[in-house]
Amino acid sequence: GAVVSQHPSRVICKSGTSVKIECRSLDFQATTMFWYRQFPKQSLMLMATSNEGSKATYEQGVEKDKFLINHASLTLSTLTVTSAHPEDSSFYICSALGVADYNEQFFGPGTRLTVL
Amino acid sequence: GDSVTQMEGPVTLSEEAFLTINCTYTATGYPSLFWYVQYPGEGLQLLLKATKADDKGSNKGFEATYRKETTSFHLEKGSVQVSDSAVYFCAGGSSASKIIFGSGTRLSIRP
Repeated sequence: GAVVSQHPSRVICKSGTSVKIECRSLDFQATTMFWYRQFPKQSLMLMATSNEGSKATYEQGVEKDKFLINHASLTLSTLTVTSAHPEDSSFYICSALGVADYNEQFFGPGTRLTVL
Repeated sequence: GDSVTQMEGPVTLSEEAFLTINCTYTATGYPSLFWYVQYPGEGLQLLLKATKADDKGSNKGFEATYRKETTSFHLEKGSVQVSDSAVYFCAGGSSASKIIFGSGTRLSIRP
């Protein structure tokens, strides 16, 4: 089956620093990747949609200058949380839509970000 | 706008009990409907799906039927196991690019 990985699985950083999270589709090409944020005991909130080679589309209320997304290849998208603050602490999950199969998003295992 | 409403948790059951987690949707058209499962510390996995009215999705003993008349997609399992303990998300979308998730239901199964 289609596998999506995320790295790192968890990261702790100091307030004011930037953190990069990678999302990779391991055995398929993904023209579209999605970034979600999940607060404790709550649902997934879509942050942005990224398409390979073009700028990401951000959902309303998501600061594009704070959450930088780059989708440089058909197998890799990155999310950089810039100047992180404690309120950015959350579980970030990516998903990918395959080139060959548009009917299902495949989810990564998530990245737990803790900002001190 | 489109929305998905699911039963609030947490739900605690004994092993071998019958499970139902309710889910209803509101949409302008007829979206595809999904159930995802999230085990502790992991991302979401697609459990089952249905793409049109009266379709039944099934997997690992779980079932859900797409009911157009009641706009529902309730998740059921006849006999739950401890390993079924997880958070279950109902979701819907007109395409795989636009999926809206319910708030999730935490399920705990006692041995």
